[in-house]
Amino acid sequence: QKEVEQNSGPLSVPEGAIASLNCTYSDRGSQSFFWYRQYSGKSPELIMFIYSNGDKEDGRFTAQLNKASQYVSLLIRDSQPSDSATYLCAVRGNRDDKIIFGKGTRLHILP
Amino acid sequence: DGGITQSPKYLFRKEGQNVTLSCEQNLNHDAMYWYRQDPGQGLRLIYYSQIVNDFQKGDIAEGYSVSREKKESFPLTVTSAQKNPTAFYLCASGPLQRELFFGEGSRLTVL
Repeated sequence: QKEVEQNSGPLSVPEGAIASLNCTYSDRGSQSFFWYRQYSGKSPELIMFIYSNGDKEDGRFTAQLNKASQYVSLLIRDSQPSDSATYLCAVRGNRDDKIIFGKGTRLHILP
Repeated sequence: DGGITQSPKYLFRKEGQNVTLSCEQNLNHDAMYWYRQDPGQGLRLIYYSQIVNDFQKGDIAEGYSVSREKKESFPLTVTSAQKNPTAFYLCASGPLQRELFFGEGSRLTVL
């Protein structure tokens, strides 16, 4: 059974600081990695995807992938109260097209 | 407007009744997925499809059935065999081997 693990939180970060969210996965052959944001009662929305080792930046968001350590992270710079949400990590395996989600990390930005 | 439409948004049913949730997309996406989310939990994969007339079981397929007769449509039936059907059901679609985009979800409550 492929697994995607996230700390459930809540992670509390002061407004304007950097929020760091982490995710580990069990399937070493995984190829694609995604971060979604989900507000309470709403459906997930895609923030970032990353396929290659290293960093990928998009505005205030940076995704980091380390396949050797089976670790993917999301950094949010200049955190805003509107960033308060649950962040879901998702991983696509190598052998099939399953996309497996972690349970999510609740992020709370303190004004 | 382009997008992924799920209906109904809210549904109440009695125990023992089958229920069908609709998912339609006009984004020309090949891949479509169904997930279930319980309160405070991540998303669990029910079924997914990469091509018309073909679909694969996810991690919790028991008690559910799907069809993919058209590229645009991927309905999910929650059968009476599903022991705990009350949940938030999310449909997603995307290009093959790429990121997923979600509909607004359907909340099913079994009385």
